Amino acid sequence: DVKVTQSSRYLVKRTGEKVFLECVQDMDHENMFWYRQDPGLGLRLIYFSYDVKMKEKGDIPEGYSVSREKKERFSLILESASTNQTSMYLCASIVAGVTGELFFGEGSRLTVL
Amino acid sequence: KQEVTQIPAALSVPEGENLVLNCSFTDSAIYNLQWFRQDPGKGLTSLLLIQSSQREQTSGRLNASLDKSSGRSTLYIAASQPGDSATYLCAVPGGGQGNLIFGKGTKLSVKP
Repeated sequence: DVKVTQSSRYLVKRTGEKVFLECVQDMDHENMFWYRQDPGLGLRLIYFSYDVKMKEKGDIPEGYSVSREKKERFSLILESASTNQTSMYLCASIVAGVTGELFFGEGSRLTVL
Repeated sequence: KQEVTQIPAALSVPEGENLVLNCSFTDSAIYNLQWFRQDPGKGLTSLLLIQSSQREQTSGRLNASLDKSSGRSTLYIAASQPGDSATYLCAVPGGGQGNLIFGKGTKLSVKP
């Protein structure tokens, strides 16, 4: 069974803290994504990666960075968390090309106080 | 720029009813369309993927159709159950590298 695993389901952090969200997929997918989801705004793409050590900015990259050192792992980093980064973060992966099926993890609910 | 719209934003039906959820997209040059389900506080679960060469896909009580020329897809749910209550999202490829453009979803409530 295909799986995308996000390391933390719920996190509470303080303003200014560094936050790591990790995502691992077991499907040997080339492409991985980080989205955030907020009520009324839908899903918005933060960053994506199409290969190891490669990354591309999405629609809202400000305040975030990413790391992809291994094919199966894609990390989202908040260098200095702020309250407006309180959100649901969703990781997803898909095989390279245009015909594949996108798979999501269970989500990480981050609250920044 | 591709835009995906889902109307209505919310829908409430009695148990047992057959229902249709709608999804429209502005650029018909798509390779496929995917339907997802999202339960509160959870990630998205893929329900159906329809390739552009297909007109419909079925999984259990779910049937999704795709009409590229009109920029529309529908998700038909037969004999709805309270367990079908969730938000349903559709998405099409956009921006390259497998990224999808999502609608904002239809929140379905099935009353016992």
